[in-house]
Amino acid sequence: NAGVTQTPKFRVLKTGQSMTLLCAQDMNHEYMYWYRQDPGMGLRLIHYSVGEGTTAKGEVPDGYNVSRLKKQNFLLGLESAAPSQTSVYFCASSYSDGIGGYTFGSGTRLTVV
Amino acid sequence: KQEVTQIPAALSVPEGENLVLNCSFTDSAIYNLQWFRQDPGKGLTSLLLIQSSQREQTSGRLNASLDKSSGRSTLYIAASQPGDSATYLCAVRPGGYQKVTFGTGTKLQVIP
Repeated sequence: NAGVTQTPKFRVLKTGQSMTLLCAQDMNHEYMYWYRQDPGMGLRLIHYSVGEGTTAKGEVPDGYNVSRLKKQNFLLGLESAAPSQTSVYFCASSYSDGIGGYTFGSGTRLTVV
Repeated sequence: KQEVTQIPAALSVPEGENLVLNCSFTDSAIYNLQWFRQDPGKGLTSLLLIQSSQREQTSGRLNASLDKSSGRSTLYIAASQPGDSATYLCAVRPGGYQKVTFGTGTKLQVIP
């Protein structure tokens, strides 16, 4: 009964370093999403996927890349981290683009120094 | 573009009080509305999902209503407890192919 699992939970990066955030869901959901949450800004969509092998840009995609090689996994990559990418990142999934609601992971707190 | 507003941004109430949290949206052509709870440093936990054809949903001490014509949803919490302290967010899923829009939340503190 795991739902959506994100790893890691915390990470500190130096400017220019790269990293990958992993999201895994066990609900057989087609749709997966990456959001970032910043104080006063609410949740903003970075990228999303409508199924295995597909990805699409959201509201704030610059500086991020994603991949969905397997249906249950959605990876978010930062190629060259910047302080502006300091945020809390959430992964979410849904069966049919929110028709039945969304399930969220517990988040990754990323600090770029 | 759909805009979702939650007022107030913060609310403090004594334990035992019944309270109402508000969520307003600008475009009434929605598919559903979902209420979440977020504890500090944690993810979003789904509380209630209301489809556009429904007027309300209930779960325990929580009751969410939806009035599409006025662009408003309310989350009613009965007999509030300190454990209800959290930030409550609403998410509006528009019709068609538009993506969900989240409110910025109401931070609730229930004082023992």
